Amino acid sequence: SQQGEEDPQALSIQEGENATMNCSYKTSINNLQWYRQNSGRGLVHLILIRSNEREKHSGRLRVTLDTSKKSSSLLITASRAADTASYFCASRGGTSYGKLTFGQGTILTVHP
Amino acid sequence: EAGVAQSPRYKIIEKRQSVAFWCNPISGHATLYWYQQILGQGPKLLIQFQNNGVVDDSQLPKDRFSAERLKGVDSTLKIQPAKLEDSAVYLCASGSRDSLLHEQFFGPGTRLTVL
Repeated sequence: SQQGEEDPQALSIQEGENATMNCSYKTSINNLQWYRQNSGRGLVHLILIRSNEREKHSGRLRVTLDTSKKSSSLLITASRAADTASYFCASRGGTSYGKLTFGQGTILTVHP
Repeated sequence: EAGVAQSPRYKIIEKRQSVAFWCNPISGHATLYWYQQILGQGPKLLIQFQNNGVVDDSQLPKDRFSAERLKGVDSTLKIQPAKLEDSAVYLCASGSRDSLLHEQFFGPGTRLTVL
């Protein structure tokens, strides 16, 4: 079964607003990654946070990781219509060949 | 650099038929993954290759699915015979040895419809 659970399942906001998506996982991880998927560009890596990091920024993206709660959040600031997509968290296990386990995803719609 | 290539992009078959998908990873990437993504769900790993060896195939339905990566470069995934529940997008991804714990690069996927 999928390891990650994401919340909310769907999110609808206006351009310029911030969007926050949450992810939970079940077992220990080496790192947690966020991916975006839309029909135009397929599945694209956005940002990676290691298990010993608590927060990471990349442009308009901010990711937090709380290993004690086995949870992560993705914040997109000043959203744009082009941010409309499905967002997935994916956890990577602790072994060298640890597989990437995806959550169910959050569908984000940004209205112009 | 060129991305991960997959073909075909779309395939429609009837149940009990066979189908094969092809993937060419990014040049130099040692690790290749096949994922199945059912509508409304996240991708699920089917099989992971490191060069031409299988690292993880624990979620591959081996009674009907098979995959190979003979020369450690491109790979094929086969379903024989297909069932209705195999309707999904099949994604191929690759990663360099240096990024084994890092990001994966995904192809556009093959959308399979089983009627």
